[in-house]
Amino acid sequence: EAGVTQFPSHSVIEKGQTVTLRCDPISGHDNLYWYRRVMGKEIKFLLHFVKESKQDESGMPNNRFLAERTGGTYSTLKVQPAELEDSGVYFCASSRRGVSDTQYFGPGTRLTVL
Amino acid sequence: QKEVEQDPGPLSVPEGAIVSLNCTYSNSAFQYFMWYRQYSRKGPELLMYTYSSGNKEDGRFTAQVDKSSKYISLFIRDSQPSDSATYLCAMRANSGGYQKVTFGIGTKLQVIP
Repeated sequence: EAGVTQFPSHSVIEKGQTVTLRCDPISGHDNLYWYRRVMGKEIKFLLHFVKESKQDESGMPNNRFLAERTGGTYSTLKVQPAELEDSGVYFCASSRRGVSDTQYFGPGTRLTVL
Repeated sequence: QKEVEQDPGPLSVPEGAIVSLNCTYSNSAFQYFMWYRQYSRKGPELLMYTYSSGNKEDGRFTAQVDKSSKYISLFIRDSQPSDSATYLCAMRANSGGYQKVTFGIGTKLQVIP
C-alpha cells in the first residue's frame, strides 16, 4: 500500500508569489489533514477534509491560504500571496473513516519564502 | 500556556541504555495519546497509540498514560543507533474537532554506538 505522497518536496519562492502544494492520501482514506511546522515550533493543525468537505478549518492562518479537495481524492493547498512567515514544512496526513483511526503522515513540503 | 509541553532535548544516550521521554498536557479533553518518530527530512511515523490511562508495550517500546496527572511517557529499552530521531508526543480529543491532533515540540534523541 502506497503511503501519503506530497509534491513538491521543496519549494523556494519570493514574497508575494503564489505556491500550490499537493497531497495524495492513502487510497481509500476519507480523511485528509494539513499541518504545518514553522521552525522552532510544534507541528500545528491547519484543516481537515472528510472526502471533499471541509470538516474543520480552524487552524488556517488567514485568507491567503486556500485548500481544496475536489472529488475527495487529492488535495491542494494554495498560498497567495506568500509572506515570509509562511515558511515552514507543510505536512499532509490521511486516515480511514473511524474516530480512532490513526493519521498517517506524508514526508512534507518544505516551503521557503524569501 | 501550551496545551502540550515536551522537552526538546537534545538527549544523548549510549547504545543499550533505557530512554525515557515525557510530555505533560493541560487539556483534559484529550483521550487518544500517540508517539510519533520522525527521522530527518521525513514525515512523522506513528510508533505507539494508546487510549485512556495505562501501559502499552510493543517490542522495545512502552507507552504510559497517566490521565490523573496529565502525563505521558515513552520508554525505549536496549536503545539502538537506529532509534536516533525526533520523538513527538501527540494527542487528540474524542469530540468537537476530535480528529485534530495536537503535538509536542518533539525531543531529539541521539543513541551513540
